[in-house]
Amino acid sequence: DVKVTQSSRYLVKRTGEKVFLECVQDMDHENMFWYRQDPGLGLRLIYFSYDVKMKEKGDIPEGYSVSREKKERFSLILESASTNQTSMYLCASRPTGVRTEAFFGQGTRLTVV
Amino acid sequence: SQQGEEDPQALSIQEGENATMNCSYKTSINNLQWYRQNSGRGLVHLILIRSNEREKHSGRLRVTLDTSKKSSSLLITASRAADTASYFCATDEASGGGADGLTFGKGTHLIIQP
Repeated sequence: DVKVTQSSRYLVKRTGEKVFLECVQDMDHENMFWYRQDPGLGLRLIYFSYDVKMKEKGDIPEGYSVSREKKERFSLILESASTNQTSMYLCASRPTGVRTEAFFGQGTRLTVV
Repeated sequence: SQQGEEDPQALSIQEGENATMNCSYKTSINNLQWYRQNSGRGLVHLILIRSNEREKHSGRLRVTLDTSKKSSSLLITASRAADTASYFCATDEASGGGADGLTFGKGTHLIIQP
């Protein structure tokens, strides 16, 4: 059974903290993604990676960075958490190709206080 | 970037009725996909329709695609309480190769009344 696992379901952090959200996939997919989901705004792409050590900015990269040191792991980093980064964060992976589906983790609900 | 737009934003129907959701998008696509999200969870892939297909079925799901109108619809027949969820369309842009991600709409929240 294919799996994308996010390290935490719920997370509460203080303003200014450095926050790491971890995502691991076991499907040997080349591509991994971080989305943010907010009510009324749907899913917005923060960053994606198509290979180890490669990363590309999505639609809303400001305030975030990512790391992909191994193929199976893609980390989202909030350098200095702010209250407007309170959100649901979703990690996904998919193989390269034009007719492939994405597989999602269970999501991390982050609250910054 | 382009984004699919689902319509309606919310839909409440009685169990056993059919539910129809629509999606519009803006640019050329390779395929269009529908996903489901149960409350507070990740998204689960339901069905993919290629740009050269017009209709596709999977169990109680029926998806249509009209590339001339840049629109798609998802029909769930004989709805069940367990179908209560949010449904998202996602487009795979023609210029991409799968590496640059899917672009999601804002979703339709479907409530099935028992």
